[in-house]
Amino acid sequence: EVQLVETGGGLIQPGGSLRLSCAASGFTVSSNYMSWVRQAPGKGLEWVSVIYSGGSTYYADSVKGRFTISRDNSKNTLYLQMNSLRAEDTAVYYCARAPYCGGDCYPPFDYWGQGTLVTVSS
Amino acid sequence: SYVLTQPPSVSVAPGKTARITCGGNNIGSKSVHWYQQKPGQAPVLVIYYDSDRPSGIPERFSGSNSGNTATLTISRVEAGDEADYYCQVWDSSSDHPEVFGGGTKLTVL
Repeated sequence: EVQLVETGGGLIQPGGSLRLSCAASGFTVSSNYMSWVRQAPGKGLEWVSVIYSGGSTYYADSVKGRFTISRDNSKNTLYLQMNSLRAEDTAVYYCARAPYCGGDCYPPFDYWGQGTLVTVSS
Repeated sequence: SYVLTQPPSVSVAPGKTARITCGGNNIGSKSVHWYQQKPGQAPVLVIYYDSDRPSGIPERFSGSNSGNTATLTISRVEAGDEADYYCQVWDSSSDHPEVFGGGTKLTVL
């Protein structure tokens, strides 16, 4: 059974750092496209970052230079290192899987974690 | 970067048909995925690659995509369908490859 479990959220002061983890089971993280998607309170879904199976990474403009996505293949875990946090980063952060489907295809997010809440406030 | 536009809200009576649109420049040339999100829950995939349904999603959910508009259609709407719905595409030409629409709140009257 495929499962994604996020941890690491909490209350952090502006300017602080936090690392989110997403432990996966039932599939191999490194063989799929893995993303972080966030949702500010009362707002819509916002894509944050993706790491492709080949290791390429991309970021939303709002987090570029501050957030880093990575994975640990031995732990089958996805991470999001968040630095220089701002109030506007306050959100529930979801990790989501888009199954690898070859070169020229655009897969959906078929599995999501339950989310972890990050609150940036003094 | 690519922009997806959804109406903020759609209302429908039980048993009727709800249509939620997702507009984007030449969206018909892209693959569109749709997600349902109920309060306090993670999103759930309801339609992928424009019109395919994952196992477990009722046949009442269907999708289409042409020109500048993709549409999620929910037939014989039930109270349990009340939720937020989001469309999503990949923008392969961009460094922001994954794009979500702003979401549509479906209200069952």
